[in-house]
Parts: sequence; structure tokens; C-alpha cells
Amino acid sequence: EAQVTQNPRYLITVTGKKLTVTCSQNMNHEYMSWYRQDPGLGLRQIYYSMNVEVTDKGDVPEGYKVSRKEKRNFPLILESPSPNQTSLYFCASSPTWREKLFFGSGTQLSVL
Amino acid sequence: QKEVEQNSGPLSVPEGAIASLNCTYSDRGSQSFFWYRQYSGKSPELIMSIYSNGDKEDGRFTAQLNKASQYVSLLIRDSQPSDSATYLCAVGENFNKFYFGSGTKLNVKP
Repeated sequence: EAQVTQNPRYLITVTGKKLTVTCSQNMNHEYMSWYRQDPGLGLRQIYYSMNVEVTDKGDVPEGYKVSRKEKRNFPLILESPSPNQTSLYFCASSPTWREKLFFGSGTQLSVL
Repeated sequence: QKEVEQNSGPLSVPEGAIASLNCTYSDRGSQSFFWYRQYSGKSPELIMSIYSNGDKEDGRFTAQLNKASQYVSLLIRDSQPSDSATYLCAVGENFNKFYFGSGTKLNVKP
């Protein structure tokens, strides 16, 4: 089944404790990106990757890192999480930037 | 700051009616336009994409784009209770960045 797999689905952590949210797609997509969704603010792009060689900041990259060492995986890293990073996170992939995004099921993160 | 504006709603329509959802965007250089549907607690899923001025129809859905007015809309004909969801407008620019509106909540009453 073609899909974008995110893990974990729910995560509760404490301020400053490094964490990684994994994202993997099995559709051989070039384009991958991360979003956060907050009430009243909609989806905001954190980072995107055009392919394994090109990764760049989205609209809200502060406090986040990403890595694209292979085409299928695009993990999101919070090296020192803070409470303002409490949010619902989505990973997405697409064959190219112009085509529709396939979203993962989301990760609800709470930073205490 | 690029902006994509949507009325948050809720927009309530009776079953069988036409639902009209609207979106405006601030960047004249925007290249691609999308409507996603998001059920509560679920991830967004694509309803329509449109890239040039005019109308694009797919079943009960019609997307309309007017780049001069920086306006994109979604019409849902013969609305069904299963259409009740939040509809997200997304705008792509510079070939790689996407901006989403905060969404319009649609309620279709049986």
C-alpha cells in the first residue's frame, strides 16, 4: 500500500530532551516536507526537500532540523524542544513540487 | 509574510445545497493552488488542484481561479453530510514552498 508513515503518533516529552519524529514514504517521491498545524494558524511549512541533495527552510524552521540521507526517509529532529513546539506535525511527500501532497497520519507532540 | 486567507466558518448548508468556499492569497507570483479536505483528527487529503485561470470540474467539485483578483474558490454541489469537514486552501510559490490557509469548517445538515 502506497503511504507515508510517521512515528510516533503521540509523543509527550519535557523541555530540552532531544527527540526525533520519523517519516518514511514508499512511493519513490522526490519531494518531502514537514508541517505543523496549530489552531487558527493552519498548516505551516517547517522544512522541505526537493530531493536527496536539496533541503531548505520553510516558513517556520526555528528550533527544528531535518535530514535527507536517502530518498524514502525524512526525519524531523528537535534538539532542544520547548513548550511552544507543542503542535500537530505532518510529514508529506509528492512526486514533484507541483503535484498533490500525500500526508502521513500526523504526530501530536506535547512538550511540558 | 505570505498570506492565505479563509473564512474560518462554520459554514452551514442543508443537504443537497451548493457550498461555496473562498480563499484569497497575497503573493501574485503563486504558481499552484490546491483544496484539501481534513476530517477531525485526520490528515489532509487532496480534493482539487488548479494551475490556470478559470474553472476546473471534478464530479461534484468545481475549483475556480482568478489570478488577477488573487482569489480561488471551491464549489461543492449536492452537498452531503459526509462533506462535513474543514477545507484547507493551499498556495504554492517559488516551485517549492506551500502556504496553507487556516481552513473553513463546513457543516452539511441532513
